[in-house]
Amino acid sequence: NAGVTQTPKFQVLKTGQSMTLQCAQDMNHEYMSWYRQDPGMGLRLIHYSVGAGITDQGEVPNGYNVSRSTTEDFPLRLLSAAPSQTSVYFCASSRQGYNSPLHFGNGTRLTVT
Amino acid sequence: DAKTTQPPSMDCAEGRAANLPCNHSTISGNEYVYWYRQIHSQGPQYIIHGLKNNETNEMASLIITEDRKSSTLILPHATLRDTAVYYCIVRGYGGATNKLIFGTGTLLAVQP
Repeated sequence: NAGVTQTPKFQVLKTGQSMTLQCAQDMNHEYMSWYRQDPGMGLRLIHYSVGAGITDQGEVPNGYNVSRSTTEDFPLRLLSAAPSQTSVYFCASSRQGYNSPLHFGNGTRLTVT
Repeated sequence: DAKTTQPPSMDCAEGRAANLPCNHSTISGNEYVYWYRQIHSQGPQYIIHGLKNNETNEMASLIITEDRKSSTLILPHATLRDTAVYYCIVRGYGGATNKLIFGTGTLLAVQP
């Protein structure tokens, strides 16, 4: 049972570099989302998607791009990394609807120097 | 944007019941109340959810007030492994209700 898979687990970037955080789920979930979590803080929503081809902004979308070309994948792109984007990133998915718990991945720990 | 408010921290003695409150005074009729917890820096884990009736599963019980403006998560016999941050969120269907805001949660410290 793979569930929600995030890669990589750890990443170090230099300021200005770009990278893509991968998120894949094998549960045929329509809803997917990205959160970031800074030390001592809660989860903040970056972007979310309710299906292939549909994305929307969360609380803190600046500096991040997303796309949803398939149901299974929801990559998060950092076009020009900044130290302020040092964080732990979590991807989550669920069936669409109010009676559907979120399933979370194990996170990607990103450091931007 | 957060639609729920929770106390930042609580303590509980091991073996006793832990009662974690959540206020969601602006909840609308078709929104469910969900509880998750996060241990250390792991991905959050689903605990329980409900609409208006009290719910119980193998992990916890959820008590929702009759007016649905608040709820309480009950861990009946807390153990040291229940030390975690607990999040309460509401979720509806469609539109802005897809924007699931977690807030900062309640840090529950179970004391030996």
